[in-house]
Amino acid sequence: KNEVEQSPQNLTAQEGEFITINCSYSVGISALHWLQQHPGGGIVSLFMLSSGKKKHGRLIATINIQEKHSSLHITASHPRDSAVYICAVLPIQGAQKLVFGQGTRLTINP
Amino acid sequence: GAGVSQSPRYKVAKRGQDVALRCDPISGHVSLFWYQQALGQGPEFLTYFQNEAQLDKSGLPSDRFFAERPEGSVSTLKIQRTQQEDSAVYLCASSYRAGTGHVQETQYFGPGTRLLVL
Repeated sequence: KNEVEQSPQNLTAQEGEFITINCSYSVGISALHWLQQHPGGGIVSLFMLSSGKKKHGRLIATINIQEKHSSLHITASHPRDSAVYICAVLPIQGAQKLVFGQGTRLTINP
Repeated sequence: GAGVSQSPRYKVAKRGQDVALRCDPISGHVSLFWYQQALGQGPEFLTYFQNEAQLDKSGLPSDRFFAERPEGSVSTLKIQRTQQEDSAVYLCASSYRAGTGHVQETQYFGPGTRLLVL
């Protein structure tokens, strides 16, 4: 079993829909990242969380440390949001070594 | 300022060939990370530098993989005698501080080098 599990693996939605991507992890962590990867490979860091909730534009990320679970929400989704979204955690044991989920491929149709 | 850059962006190698992948981190960033991302998978940690010191190389899959950062800035990941299973995107990331203990620094990722071994 992977230390970081994401669901769903693939998600297709219509423009304007509210999107939720989930991340569950099995180890104690000091931080969790949500990353966005567009075709071509480049990765952009969206959020780094250790507790609570963060919001940036149409993106919202939440984390529940006790339940070892985080969610990424996209409001009013747009085709340009189409990308792979990756959850990565920093285990308490392991220095700066990020552990990644397998990613969620999101496609937003116009 | 400029972000993390990697070169080449694409590399096709014949099986058995040696390859060298370069990473230019953001100027002044202390920490540098290499990750390997197989097709359809999330990245996996390879190795980590703090300045010129390689503090963790536990993710390197075999002794054919070697990384260096001799002056604490540019890093090179070298793969000797490439095999087909080495085909992947190799990502480099850097962060400003060392991030000791539980302090996590945001990592800034480069565009990756896509390696295809035939």
